[in-house]
Amino acid sequence: NAGVTQTPKFQVLKTGQSMTLQCAQDMNHEYMSWYRQDPGMGLRLIHYSVGAGITDQGEVPNGYNVSRSTTEDFPLRLLSAAPSQTSVYFCASSSAGTSGYEQYFGPGTRLTVT
Amino acid sequence: AQRVTQPEKLLSVFKGAPVELKCNYSYSGSPELFWYVQYSRQRLQLLLRHISRESIKGFTADLNKGETSFHLKKPFAQEEDSAMYYCALSHGSSNTGKLIFGQGTTLQVKP
Repeated sequence: NAGVTQTPKFQVLKTGQSMTLQCAQDMNHEYMSWYRQDPGMGLRLIHYSVGAGITDQGEVPNGYNVSRSTTEDFPLRLLSAAPSQTSVYFCASSSAGTSGYEQYFGPGTRLTVT
Repeated sequence: AQRVTQPEKLLSVFKGAPVELKCNYSYSGSPELFWYVQYSRQRLQLLLRHISRESIKGFTADLNKGETSFHLKKPFAQEEDSAMYYCALSHGSSNTGKLIFGQGTTLQVKP
């Protein structure tokens, strides 16, 4: 199993550009989430999904869109990039089963907006 | 408000010294508490969870509901313990895969 994969690893955008961060998991997990990691602020939840076709907002959703058309994929779209979105983005997945709430994280995407 | 607080940005100790990484939480209900660790150039991974009451890599953490704390402890630090540590909270019975993270503490173990 590859686990949780994210592409790209690094990205530089100009203000106003749009892009999609890709996330995929091959563990058949129901739950998927997007977090951003900023120095001194820990990880903050952007959006999450409890299954295909179901998404909801987290703590910091503004400027981001998500969709979940399949169990495996959970892309994050930046509609019009702003310097405040410079961050490291992590995708995570977890199972709804009784095995617990352990989240499996991807390697991250480091995004810089100039 | 639901919140996780890690008061120390950086904790620096010598090899062999005891370690305690502090975590306090604010939550109305029965949360699940976790410690996640991120080693250099590796992805974030689960270290331990309070419901399993286990010891992983010599680390333990006890949930103290009276003090709303979940401090991470290790009696003798090793150099390979150097990493970023995050305390996290999950909504207990209504698991939706969401975690609330603290700000993180960098543990530096000096030789």
